[in-house]
Amino acid sequence: IVLTQSPGTLSLSPGERATLSCRASHILSSSYLAWYQQRPGEAPRLLIYGASNRAAGIPERFSGSGSGTDFTLTISRLEPEDFAVYYCQQFGSSPRVTFGPGTKVEIK
Amino acid sequence: QVQLQESGPGLVKPSETLSLTCTVSGGSFSNYYWNLVRQPPGKALEWIGYIYYSGSTDSNPSLKSRVTISVAASKKQFSMKLTSVTAADTAVYYCAGGLSNYYYNYWGQGALVTVSS
Repeated sequence: IVLTQSPGTLSLSPGERATLSCRASHILSSSYLAWYQQRPGEAPRLLIYGASNRAAGIPERFSGSGSGTDFTLTISRLEPEDFAVYYCQQFGSSPRVTFGPGTKVEIK
Repeated sequence: QVQLQESGPGLVKPSETLSLTCTVSGGSFSNYYWNLVRQPPGKALEWIGYIYYSGSTDSNPSLKSRVTISVAASKKQFSMKLTSVTAADTAVYYCAGGLSNYYYNYWGQGALVTVSS
């Protein structure tokens, strides 16, 4: 399964809403879709698993939705620390795990 | 809280073998799926493979012929060997894991490995 993320870069201001898209090349069980945040120089951090479940300690402004081949990560109001790169990840067929190319959320 | 720490060589010569060890601390080792993920400079994440604490393993078909993943549960460690490395294998290598193999709750800080003569 190939994951495509759009847009490649999202330029927004703090306080604005961010909507990130992840599209799979084949139908994917929602259980197998996760989202990660990666700040510069840091390891990825799990945000969402099972398409819509927030990981422990993740603020409520982060939410995930979608099913089938189309999934969305929404950040309701951007905080300064949210400007980062976001990756979606699927678990499934060979290769068992793939990541999308990432969406960079940058300060406008 | 589970913590992971990578230990690797930093610099490997082309055609040689890259060895990386991940050490788990602060929590259980059993019942977890332990993974290796890499990230070339400025690029996206790439899954290398996983090993279950009991030893079952799988790896990315693109690397399968060159990668071996092993586990030493008594030491709370898992390791990777990547043979015949080239400059394309230059990356930050991450250890990652969780109770589910579908996603990764825990990540190491990453270890930069450069392939160069």
